[in-house]
Amino acid sequence: DSGVTQTPKHLITATGQRVTLRCSPRSGDLSVYWYQQSLDQGLQFLIQYYNGEERAKGNILERFSAQQFPDLHSELNLSSLELGDSALYFCASSAGTSSGETQYFGPGTRLLVL
Amino acid sequence: AQSVTQLGSHVSVSEGALVLLRCNYSSSVPPYLFWYVQYPNQGLQLLLKYTSAATLVKGINGFEAEFKKSETSFHLTKPSAHMSDAAEYFCAVTRSMGAGSYQLTFGKGTKLSVIP
Repeated sequence: DSGVTQTPKHLITATGQRVTLRCSPRSGDLSVYWYQQSLDQGLQFLIQYYNGEERAKGNILERFSAQQFPDLHSELNLSSLELGDSALYFCASSAGTSSGETQYFGPGTRLLVL
Repeated sequence: AQSVTQLGSHVSVSEGALVLLRCNYSSSVPPYLFWYVQYPNQGLQLLLKYTSAATLVKGINGFEAEFKKSETSFHLTKPSAHMSDAAEYFCAVTRSMGAGSYQLTFGKGTKLSVIP
């Protein structure tokens, strides 16, 4: 158990809909990262938050957004969903932002868009 | 830009045999390198990481990896495979995003099968 929790575990929805994925980092960790894992793209970094502020953006679509709240949990919002958004979404956390830090991953949310 | 290449999307070994999973990196600066393991329907778990303290890094579950700068490699090994090692393994390198921020760039993964 990494200490990172994600809800829900599974999500099935229809195209055009909007969903929210939730992540609680390990106790004491200030950084939260979101990744998307799909068969064709592999593991792709989406976005990072540190202590409530956006720190870095990766291959995140404009239809996707995220935020980190004062209690440090984070939410990833996916809107106008398309079939291709079906994937496993992981949240990870680390203590800070330095390069050698270990990122601890949650169990993921499996999203299926029908 | 920093990246990693994992050779072999699928590796099969017999139980008790040597496990060798290959990872080559590309980095213009001294890299931080990681190996993660993903068991079916689970998240990623850190096996080990290289942060320049020692070239031979020992991790959990009997795995180790050697950093070879001359070969730009960070291959993962285990002397004797166990059935429980069957999983997907990912090599990753830290990539600078600027402004003191870093992200992990992952290889495409290697699925390890262990044959009894």
